[in-house]
Amino acid sequence: TQLLEQSPQFLSIQEGENLTVYCNSSSVFSSLQWYRQEPGEGPVLLVTVVTGGEVKKLKRLTFQFGDARKDSSLHITAAQPGDTGLYLCAGEYNAGNNRKLIWGLGTSLAVNP
Amino acid sequence: GAGVSQSPSNKVTEKGKDVELRCDPISGHTALYWYRQSLGQGLEFLIYFQGNSAPDKSGLPSDRFSAERTGGSVSTLTIQRTQQEDSAVYLCASSSRGRTSAQSSYNEQFFGPGTRLTVL
Repeated sequence: TQLLEQSPQFLSIQEGENLTVYCNSSSVFSSLQWYRQEPGEGPVLLVTVVTGGEVKKLKRLTFQFGDARKDSSLHITAAQPGDTGLYLCAGEYNAGNNRKLIWGLGTSLAVNP
Repeated sequence: GAGVSQSPSNKVTEKGKDVELRCDPISGHTALYWYRQSLGQGLEFLIYFQGNSAPDKSGLPSDRFSAERTGGSVSTLTIQRTQQEDSAVYLCASSSRGRTSAQSSYNEQFFGPGTRLTVL
């Protein structure tokens, strides 16, 4: 059974602080995707990392894929209230002819002004 | 272009009634997924359609749940004899790259806004 553990589950910080969210698994993924979801909306893709050790930056967000492609992290620098939301990671793997995703349980982030 | 749309946005029903939830995926996307999400939680996979292949129903929680996809486009999720524990947000997503044979990129999913189902 594929598992993707995401931590922390909840995070409440002050504006300007830094934070890191982790996704870990014992399984190897062909890609790892990060999504953000705001209340009343569906998740929106932020980034896909595909190569072991890969680092991608999206403004103040830095995403890293582990060397073995089993884990990933999301680091936010100088968090803003607009970063508030539910962050979800999803690991992609092949199941026969189909590509499937396994989802972490999410990190609910609240950035207080 | 148009994204994934879902209807209704909210549905309140009485225990024991049947409900139908609709999803219109992005045109040309061959893969369609249904998920269930409880308040502030992660996504629970329900069912997956890929082209004309038999759907992957491995996530459906009981035989009260069923889904169909007509003409490879619109999908309907049906919940029969609803129970209070069925209350959740039901999300639909589509993807253009659900097959391992796809030439490029990965199974990145585009979500609709969801249907919030409340069973009284």
